[in-house]
Amino acid sequence: DSGVTQTPKHLITATGQRVTLRCSPRSGDLSVYWYQQSLDQGLQFLIQYYNGEERAKGNILERFSAQQFPDLHSELNLSSLELGDSALYFCASSPSGRAGDTQYFGPGTRLTVL
Amino acid sequence: KNEVEQSPQNLTAQEGEFITINCSYSVGISALHWLQQHPGGGIVSLFMLSSGKKKHGRLIATINIQEKHSSLHITASHPRDSAVYICAVSHNGGATNKLIFGTGTLLAVQP
Repeated sequence: DSGVTQTPKHLITATGQRVTLRCSPRSGDLSVYWYQQSLDQGLQFLIQYYNGEERAKGNILERFSAQQFPDLHSELNLSSLELGDSALYFCASSPSGRAGDTQYFGPGTRLTVL
Repeated sequence: KNEVEQSPQNLTAQEGEFITINCSYSVGISALHWLQQHPGGGIVSLFMLSSGKKKHGRLIATINIQEKHSSLHITASHPRDSAVYICAVSHNGGATNKLIFGTGTLLAVQP
């Protein structure tokens, strides 16, 4: 158990809908990362937050947004969902968010868009 | 060309065999990570390296910064080692720790 929790575990929804994925980092970790794992693209970095502030952005679509709250949990919002958004979404956390930190991964949320 | 390349993509071994998975990268890095992903999806961090060699149980990871190459070795392999092994790098630059991933190596260890 990494200490990182993600909810929900599974999510099935329809095209055009909006969903929110939630992540709670390990106790004491200030940085949260979101990754997407799809069959055709593999694992890709989406976005990183550190202590409430956005620190780095990857290939995150404009339909996707995220935030990190004062209690350090994070939410990833996906809107106008398309079939191609079906994937595993992982959250990870690390103490400082700087290069060289070990990242601890949550169990993932499996999103299926029908 | 991907910034992080792994080989082989698939590997089948007999229980007890010595296994090597290779990773090459083309960017400047702060650290290289080896991750393990079991069927069902969970990802576990095995090693983080910026130089030299690390050992944990039957797993050994090495990195050659000059050659931009890392290897993950598994000694006395066991069926429970069956998983996808993923190499990832943290870019040089310090302020962010975003990871760039290889495509993974699917390992099957047969009894």
